Amino acid sequence: QVQLVQSGAEVQKPGASVKVSCEASGYTFTGYYVHWVRQAPGQGLEWMGWIDPTSGDTKNARKFQGRVTMTRDTSITTAYMELTGLTSDDSGVYYCARAPYTSSSVYYDHWGQGTLLTVSS
Amino acid sequence: DIQMTQSPSTLSASVADKVTISCRANQSITSFLAWYQQKPGKAPKLLIYKASILQSGVPSRFSGSGFGTEFTLTISSLQPDDFATYFCQQYNLYPGTFGQGTKLEI
Repeated sequence: QVQLVQSGAEVQKPGASVKVSCEASGYTFTGYYVHWVRQAPGQGLEWMGWIDPTSGDTKNARKFQGRVTMTRDTSITTAYMELTGLTSDDSGVYYCARAPYTSSSVYYDHWGQGTLLTVSS
Repeated sequence: DIQMTQSPSTLSASVADKVTISCRANQSITSFLAWYQQKPGKAPKLLIYKASILQSGVPSRFSGSGFGTEFTLTISSLQPDDFATYFCQQYNLYPGTFGQGTKLEI
């Protein structure tokens, strides 16, 4: 069965960076884009960007331009999302999600369990 | 970006009730709308895509309808497991955007 397993909770200081991993299994990793979505405490969901595991091409939301980097390692079927210049506004849960077809704008049929990020001094 | 507005924000209901949640887009998204269910501390779960297509494994008491700017999610007979928060998402235009959520509570 399709599974996306994310790395564990993180606590970071303002100005620091965080790198979240998302290990995929149960399907052909290179066949589907991986998107990243975040959820601030008690808030809705916000799309951050996607990576094409085949080519490594990425597209990020304007809001995160210059602060987010998405990469992948196909040998271990894992996608990564690194966010720099953290502020308290970046606290929340970060999800990776699989898109059922290749598009910038798409729905998500499988999600990781989420990674809680707390930014605090 | 397209704005998605859900109503109500909170909905109180009982087991066996029929409930409807609304989602409105500020411009036409044709039928490119998905619904998700999220329970506390869990990831969202896809229920419906393309406005009315039930995701595999989702109970048939869930249904979706709508086109253009107005959409609804209906649960025909609430079960205890259905008490959760529900989000709509448009994916017609980049970037995909989500509604703020409707919390369904007892």
